[in-house]
Amino acid sequence: AQKITQTQPGMFVQEKEAVTLDCTYDTSDPSYGLFWYKQPSSGEMIFLIYQGSYDQQNATEGRYSLNFQKARKSANLVISASQLGDSAMYFCAMRPNSGGYQKVTFGTGTKLQVIP
Amino acid sequence: DTGVSQDPRHKITKRGQNVTFRCDPISEHNRLYWYRQTLGQGPEFLTYFQNEAQLEKSRLLSDRFSAERPKGSFSTLEIQRTEQGDSAMYLCASSPTSGGVYEQYFGPGTRLTVT
Repeated sequence: AQKITQTQPGMFVQEKEAVTLDCTYDTSDPSYGLFWYKQPSSGEMIFLIYQGSYDQQNATEGRYSLNFQKARKSANLVISASQLGDSAMYFCAMRPNSGGYQKVTFGTGTKLQVIP
Repeated sequence: DTGVSQDPRHKITKRGQNVTFRCDPISEHNRLYWYRQTLGQGPEFLTYFQNEAQLEKSRLLSDRFSAERPKGSFSTLEIQRTEQGDSAMYLCASSPTSGGVYEQYFGPGTRLTVT
């Protein structure tokens, strides 16, 4: 069974500052992938970044980076230089990478509000 | 390049009625997923298709729920005898089978309200 925990229901950040959104996970699968999605108020889930469990380097994608600490089972999202358009719900998710099993498990999300 | 589309975007129905939602995935994606999202929660997996084959179903998908993908393209999700607890956002996603990451691309969702 997989479990994703996001302990921050809401976060505030000043525009142009960096912010870290926390995510911890639990799984018995030896190989897995970790994802972050953004959900604006319009409702559509937008893929942001992916980290494979065997990737040696932390993933980066523009202003997004994933701070992956495998031993601690954490996969925190770092957003640099926050913008007003970053205000949204952010979901951490994981999926096993073996056996063709495609179920993705999501956390409960963190609501980020960027303050001008 | 069109994304995943869902129809309708909103549906209000009375308890006991049947409803059907449609999802059109990205054309070259042969994997399709349905999720349900209630207020304050992340999406919960319902079911998954590879082409026309339904390969995984969550225990959340009761006998009142059925999903099809008859030609491996669009998919429908039907809820029979709706209950107030079915009120939620129903999200559809699709993903490719090459490229390594297989990230899922989501549609805008169908918001169901059962009165």
